[in-house]
Amino acid sequence: QVQLRESGPGLVKPSQTLSLTCAVSGVSVSSGRYYWSWIRQSAGKGLEWIGRVYTGGSTSYNPSLKSRVTMSIDTSKNQFSLNLSSVTAADTAIYYCARDLTFQEGAYFDYWGQGTLVTVSS
Amino acid sequence: QPVVTQSPSASASLGASVRLTCTLSNGHIYYAIAWHQQQPQKGPRFLMKVDSDGSLNRGDGIPDRFSGSSSGTERYLTISSLQSEDEADYYCQTWGSGIEVVFGGGTKLTVL
Repeated sequence: QVQLRESGPGLVKPSQTLSLTCAVSGVSVSSGRYYWSWIRQSAGKGLEWIGRVYTGGSTSYNPSLKSRVTMSIDTSKNQFSLNLSSVTAADTAIYYCARDLTFQEGAYFDYWGQGTLVTVSS
Repeated sequence: QPVVTQSPSASASLGASVRLTCTLSNGHIYYAIAWHQQQPQKGPRFLMKVDSDGSLNRGDGIPDRFSGSSSGTERYLTISSLQSEDEADYYCQTWGSGIEVVFGGGTKLTVL
């Protein structure tokens, strides 16, 4: 079955870059049928969509984060990644990766990872 | 860009039914939404997509006691035969014409 698993540092210093990876199993990220999204959840702002990436490198980002976000996809490892630069305490959140059905049915998510907590602190 | 609004909390008794509501902003009557369940200390799980005509697309393994419907700008999630594990946060989400995603604030369901 489809599974997603986030990984990366749990602690990032302010002004540095947050980097996370989502390993996908049960489906190929290069199948061309799906986008792949990142979503975060913080106590203050609830669930917030960060952006999505498609095989071949096509991306779309939340306008509120666009200037700091970069996403990429590695088909050889069947995974995709998130980089968020110049982080502050406001970026402290649980980060989720998810399979995105934008290409097929609409911009919603039918499989989610379990999430990884990232704390921004010196 | 649409906005979705949810009541912060709901409660119902074990074995009973409950209907949760997700309200789309004015002018977005034809938008579909998706419902997600988040049990305590877990990641969200997709339940179903609800179209404006009430048609559903359930997630894999989601039991029939979870159903959805639609009326005007409201989209509903009905859970019947409530079980203790249904106590969770329920989020609706939709998307704009630019395929940007918006989430509701979530409804915390308490099973009494």
